[in-house]
Amino acid sequence: EAQVTQNPRYLITVTGKKLTVTCSQNMNHEYMSWYRQDPGLGLRQIYYSMNVEVTDKGDVPEGYKVSRKEKRNFPLILESPSPNQTSLYFCASRRAGSTNTGELFFGEGSRLTVL
Amino acid sequence: AQSVTQPDIHITVSEGASLELRCNYSYGATPYLFWYVQSPGQGLQLLLKYFSGDTLVQGIKGFEAEFKRSQSSFNLRKPSVHWSDAAEYFCAVAPLTGGGNKLTFGTGTQLKVEL
Repeated sequence: EAQVTQNPRYLITVTGKKLTVTCSQNMNHEYMSWYRQDPGLGLRQIYYSMNVEVTDKGDVPEGYKVSRKEKRNFPLILESPSPNQTSLYFCASRRAGSTNTGELFFGEGSRLTVL
Repeated sequence: AQSVTQPDIHITVSEGASLELRCNYSYGATPYLFWYVQSPGQGLQLLLKYFSGDTLVQGIKGFEAEFKRSQSSFNLRKPSVHWSDAAEYFCAVAPLTGGGNKLTFGTGTQLKVEL
């Protein structure tokens, strides 16, 4: 089954304790992206990756890191989480090419609470 | 900068009634346009997209949307709503050129279906 898998789905942590949210897709997609969803703000892009070893900032990259060492994986790293990073996070992927613009496949989300 | 406005935060309709969710965009040129649906506890799923051509596009689950250039709108419609359509709906836009990485989402409309 084609899917984007995120882990963990739920996490409660404390300020400053480094954490990683993993994302893996099995569709051989070149493009991957991370979004955060907050009430009243919709989805905002954190980082994206056009392909292996190619990453770039989205709209709200501060406090986050990403890496793309393998095509299927795109982990989101919070080096020193703060309470304002409490949010619902989504990983998404799609095939390359302009005709696939916007045709994202989303994971089920990871709800992160930073105390 | 491109932006998307969904003026209705919440909408309630009776099962079997028709539905129209509004979406207006602000952009220099006609962008790619999308509607996504987010069921409770799930990631987003693409309902339909508009790139060019026929301004009335059909999507999955019986949804359709009409692009109106003069009104900068891309409203989502369904003739007869089912209880399972209760979800949050997001309109999104992406630039036609060089912006495949930049999908901007609206803030969403929460649909409640009364039985």
